[in-house]
Amino acid sequence: DAGVIQSPRHEVTEMGQEVTLRCKPISGHNSLFWYRQTMMRGLELLIYFNNNVPIDDSGMPEDRFSAKMPNASFSTLKIQPSEPRDSAVYFCASSLSGRYNEQFFGPGTRLTVL
Amino acid sequence: GENVEQHPSTLSVQEGDSAVIKCTYSDSASNYFPWYKQELGKRPQLIIDIRSNVGEKKDQRIAVTLNKTAKHFSLHITETQPEDSAVYFCAATPNDMRFGAGTRLTVKP
Repeated sequence: DAGVIQSPRHEVTEMGQEVTLRCKPISGHNSLFWYRQTMMRGLELLIYFNNNVPIDDSGMPEDRFSAKMPNASFSTLKIQPSEPRDSAVYFCASSLSGRYNEQFFGPGTRLTVL
Repeated sequence: GENVEQHPSTLSVQEGDSAVIKCTYSDSASNYFPWYKQELGKRPQLIIDIRSNVGEKKDQRIAVTLNKTAKHFSLHITETQPEDSAVYFCAATPNDMRFGAGTRLTVKP
């Protein structure tokens, strides 16, 4: 199994630009999570999908952030417009079922907003 | 929502010694407590987890204990090795997953 796949691995963009991060969960997993990691705030859960449906988006910082999961094998996290304070490592994780099972993390996308 | 506090933030031990990391949580409904290890520049990976119906769980050199009454749980690593050096995160989840701030463990050879 290839594990959770994220793209791009690195993204450098200018303030105001739209950024789209992509994630392919492990085949057969029906739960998907987006996290943001920074030195200041640690590891934060942004949004959680179960069976492609957003269950908890209370961690999404503001309206500039949006996430979709159009099918079981693909999810996107979009930031529009991006700001320097969005610079972080964004992880996608998937689990077999819900929050009470092991989450397998992808390699992360390191986003730098200039 | 859940609030998870983790101590210490940094821990340095000599190879072969034991290391203990402690976490407290606020939501009494929390019933799943995983521990993740993150090596520098890499992704977090689950090393052990415990559910609320169990007080202790062991896996080789790693053990986790849970005290639901006091709302705290701990990670114990025995016979530490240099490859145990990493950042360790605890988490607690009733309805949402909250991670502790992390403990940077350094094992000196």
